[in-house]
Amino acid sequence: EPEVTQTPSHQVTQMGQEVILRCVPISNHLYFYWYRQILGQKVEFLVSFYNNEISEKSEIFDDQFSVERPDGSNFTLKIRSTKLEDSAMYFCASSGQGDSSGNTIYFGEGSWLTVV
Amino acid sequence: GNSVTQMEGPVTLSEEAFLTINCTYTATGYPSLFWYVQYPGEGLQLLLKATKADDKGSNKGFEATYRKETTSFHLEKGSVQVSDSAVYFCALSMEYGNKLVFGAGTILRVKS
Repeated sequence: EPEVTQTPSHQVTQMGQEVILRCVPISNHLYFYWYRQILGQKVEFLVSFYNNEISEKSEIFDDQFSVERPDGSNFTLKIRSTKLEDSAMYFCASSGQGDSSGNTIYFGEGSWLTVV
Repeated sequence: GNSVTQMEGPVTLSEEAFLTINCTYTATGYPSLFWYVQYPGEGLQLLLKATKADDKGSNKGFEATYRKETTSFHLEKGSVQVSDSAVYFCALSMEYGNKLVFGAGTILRVKS
């Protein structure tokens, strides 16, 4: 079964450093998302991306964050100048359009970011 | 705005007990409803979904029925196993390409 894959699975970074989290969405999907989950808390929406542009973003997704689809398969989340409170599990997700999956969103295994 | 409310956990049950995790939603319009499960140390997996009123989603012995009149999508399982121990998230989505809105999650612990 097709799946969303994310790298790295775990990254430790110094406060103030830049981090890039990578994702390969399911190949025929058109919508891409990033969510995050701070330890023990709810899953929070960050941003959605369609047709090579951001379609929606949350208040969390400020100027520190950016997303990019640099080629036909990868979808990246960049966090500039990381802060301690950015420590969280970051989930990439994707969904199709009008296919048998309907509007089901499929998630990757997550990238655990620890800022020290 | 749209929102999802789940019963607070943790829920602790003995093996073979009956499970209900309550979920209600608030939405402008008619959302699709989902249950996702997160096993310890893993990502989010779709458990089941329902896209319109009175639809019943089912998977791995779990069921949930989309009740428009009560704006609910309660998760049930007749006989839980230790391996069902996980965090369960109820979520909604309004249409293709729209984000998921998650509930806070309910921790389920099943004792042998």
